[in-house]
Amino acid sequence: KNEVEQSPQNLTAQEGEFITINCSYSVGISALHWLQQHPGGGIVSLFMLSSGKKKHGRLIATINIQEKHSSLHITASHPRDSAVYICAVRLLGGSEKLVFGKGTKLTVNP
Amino acid sequence: DTGVSQDPRHKITKRGQNVTFRCDPISEHNRLYWYRQTLGQGPEFLTYFQNEAQLEKSRLLSDRFSAERPKGSFSTLEIQRTEQGDSAMYLCASSPLRGTGRPGGQYFGPGTRLLVL
Repeated sequence: KNEVEQSPQNLTAQEGEFITINCSYSVGISALHWLQQHPGGGIVSLFMLSSGKKKHGRLIATINIQEKHSSLHITASHPRDSAVYICAVRLLGGSEKLVFGKGTKLTVNP
Repeated sequence: DTGVSQDPRHKITKRGQNVTFRCDPISEHNRLYWYRQTLGQGPEFLTYFQNEAQLEKSRLLSDRFSAERPKGSFSTLEIQRTEQGDSAMYLCASSPLRGTGRPGGQYFGPGTRLLVL
């Protein structure tokens, strides 16, 4: 079993819909990242959080440390949001490496 | 500052050849990371530098792989005697030291896509 699991693997939505992508992890972490990867490979960091909730524009990320679960929400989705969204965790214990989920491929149709 | 850059962006090589990739991090970032990503998978950690010191190496990094960051600025990743299984996207990222007051998180380069024939 992977240390970081994302669901769903693929998600298709209509423009304007509210999107939720989930991430569960099985290890102790010091931080969780949400990343966006567009076709061609470029990765952009969206959020880094260790507790609570963060919001940036139409994107909201939440984390529940006790339940070892995080969600990424996109409000009023748009075709330009189509990308792969990746959850990654930094492990407790001083390691700097990130452990990544496999990603959720989001397609938003006009 | 233009962000993290990687060179080359694409590399096609024949099995058994050596390849070297370069990463230039954001200039004030002390930390530099290498990751590998195969099709349909999330990236996997390879190694990490703080300044010129290589502090962590994954077990994925076999003897054929070596990474350097000689002056604490740019880094190189060399793969010797390439195998078809080395075909992947090689990603570099950099970050500032925590507690420096700069925004945290890792900033990724565009990646080098390697194809071993």
